[in-house]
Amino acid sequence: AQSVSQHNHHVILSEAASLELGCNYSYGGTVNLFWYVQYPGQHLQLLLKYFSGDPLVKGIKGFEAEFIKSKFSFNLRKPSVQWSDTAEYFCAVNGGSYIPTFGRGTSLIVHP
Amino acid sequence: NAGVTQTPKFQVLKTGQSMTLQCAQDMNHEYMSWYRQDPGMGLRLIHYSVGAGITDQGEVPNGYNVSRSTTEDFPLRLLSAAPSQTSVYFCASLPFSNTGELFFGEGSRLTVL
Repeated sequence: AQSVSQHNHHVILSEAASLELGCNYSYGGTVNLFWYVQYPGQHLQLLLKYFSGDPLVKGIKGFEAEFIKSKFSFNLRKPSVQWSDTAEYFCAVNGGSYIPTFGRGTSLIVHP
Repeated sequence: NAGVTQTPKFQVLKTGQSMTLQCAQDMNHEYMSWYRQDPGMGLRLIHYSVGAGITDQGEVPNGYNVSRSTTEDFPLRLLSAAPSQTSVYFCASLPFSNTGELFFGEGSRLTVL
């Protein structure tokens, strides 16, 4: 069975600070990895995804994530956050089935 | 292209009442699913379907029924609403050719009094 763990439940930053959100997964085989973002009052949208190839994946709005297979990790990063990045962020993994498993989410608040 | 459409967006029920949350997608996706989102719990899978006529239970199926008579529609039925079912519900779909990226509806906020 696949599982996902997000270490940070709540993160509060000031604008221009750097961001790193942790995500670890548990699955023994090949995986597809995703980060979704949910802005206040909205539905989830795909931020970025990793299927294969370059382990450093770039997504929308300056976000990137690095897949480290040896650590079973897929951490999300952004060098300089903006107030508009305030949202909830979900890591998800899709291993042997097409049914993704989501982490519990990280709530990010960015103060202007 | 409307994507995934959910109705209603908001609903208030009394304990014991029944209702159906509607979900329709126009992308010809084989897979459809229902999640509930609760604070601190993330997204939990209720039911899913891999095609018309095929449904299966997810992580938290109790108190909910689904059916998939067409590729486009995947309604979620609450048979006898309970306060514990107060939540935000999301319908999501994906094509099997897409390696797992889900497309979400706008969500339905349900309050059970």
